[in-house]
Amino acid sequence: EVVLTQSPATLSLSPGERATLSCRAGQSIDNHLAWYQQKPGQAPRLLIYDASNRATGTPARFSGSGSGTDFTLTISSLEPEDFAVYFCQHRSDWPLTFGGGTKVEV
Amino acid sequence: QLQLQESGPGLVKPSETLSLTCTVSGGSISTSNYYWGWIRQPPGKGLEWIGSIFYSGNTYYYPSLKSRVTISLDTPNNQFSLNLNSVTAADTAVYYCARRRSGSFYDYWGQGTLVTVSS
Repeated sequence: EVVLTQSPATLSLSPGERATLSCRAGQSIDNHLAWYQQKPGQAPRLLIYDASNRATGTPARFSGSGSGTDFTLTISSLEPEDFAVYFCQHRSDWPLTFGGGTKVEV
Repeated sequence: QLQLQESGPGLVKPSETLSLTCTVSGGSISTSNYYWGWIRQPPGKGLEWIGSIFYSGNTYYYPSLKSRVTISLDTPNNQFSLNLNSVTAADTAVYYCARRRSGSFYDYWGQGTLVTVSS
């Protein structure tokens, strides 16, 4: 099983600031990683797939990078609607797993 | 526009079986190269992948749940289902159904349904 470790658990920032979220895999997963955004009471929403590709509707301020074991989600300038929880997920092998999440709070 | 909707009891007694159905509209669950999956989220916690079923019927389960889980397709009704037996309070969670294309990630999700395990 691929263990995904996200850090930090909580990121306290202000609108307009840059957010950098990390996801580390316990073994190489090539670029087979996605990032999801989840707001309270809502289902997760796919933001980034295959490490660096923005999903349909994802604003350009969101970018993903990394390969192998270390991945980063960057939000260049936080908008009020970006304060949420972010999860990473891999599809490298069965079972699929998710990271524990990073909460981006004001 | 594809839509997924979970349905089933919101309260299940310990040791009984949790059964949920995901109804898919706006697309066919028989479409080739798609996985239909279940993911859960205990209150205040992270996401846990439960398992997936391929359009062909092949199933894949999280190892620690494998002995208790069955996911199946109901093609005539364009639904797929989750059965989780011998539940305990630890199975209390919001349960989501979702779709992903082979080689990709979960791009469509249901709204989620809260299932509480309690006597």
